[in-house]
Amino acid sequence: KQEVTQIPAALSVPEGENLVLNCSFTDSAIYNLQWFRQDPGKGLTSLLLIQSSQREQTSGRLNASLDKSSGRSTLYIAASQPGDSATYLCAVEVDNDMRFGAGTRLTVKP
Amino acid sequence: GAVVSQHPSWVICKSGTSVKIECRSLDFQATTMFWYRQFPKQSLMLMATSNEGSKATYEQGVEKDKFLINHASLTLSTLTVTSAHPEDSSFYICSARAGGPGNTIYFGEGSWLTVV
Repeated sequence: KQEVTQIPAALSVPEGENLVLNCSFTDSAIYNLQWFRQDPGKGLTSLLLIQSSQREQTSGRLNASLDKSSGRSTLYIAASQPGDSATYLCAVEVDNDMRFGAGTRLTVKP
Repeated sequence: GAVVSQHPSWVICKSGTSVKIECRSLDFQATTMFWYRQFPKQSLMLMATSNEGSKATYEQGVEKDKFLINHASLTLSTLTVTSAHPEDSSFYICSARAGGPGNTIYFGEGSWLTVV
């Protein structure tokens, strides 16, 4: 059964810092990997989707990489801002569903 | 992008009653819909997968007689929590996909259920 792990569970950084969030998964037979943002009490906002044949995706200050063979993905956030404070979830699509990690709670301090 | 809408956004019900949550794909035909539950400060846990016109496939540990899922059309799936108890209070999120695995999955905004 696919298991998704995210490290760290929580992260607090000062504004302006670059940071990396990590995601690992146990079964490399995935269709894609997706990073989401979730604000407290809200639903999911899709940030980046990486297909299994791709190595990375970029959107603005966000860059996500995928190493399917090693079962790892990273989300890089450049020049962090207080508005980036949220929980970041990674999820992999396998067979007929999507499996989520527990998330990283990010706090960016002004 | 594609839109998946959930209704209601939040609901309060009395213990022992049933409550229904709807999930609609507004601009595409969703052959598969997924239901997740999220407890505070925890991740999303898949409850069940439903294909249009078929019975839902439930994850281990999810009571199918308690969480009734109906996917009667290509644009609507419903989750009914029967005989709700306070421990069923949670954030329920649906997602939908057109076509088979590998196609983009779109998420609803979620529904907060509080059982008092």
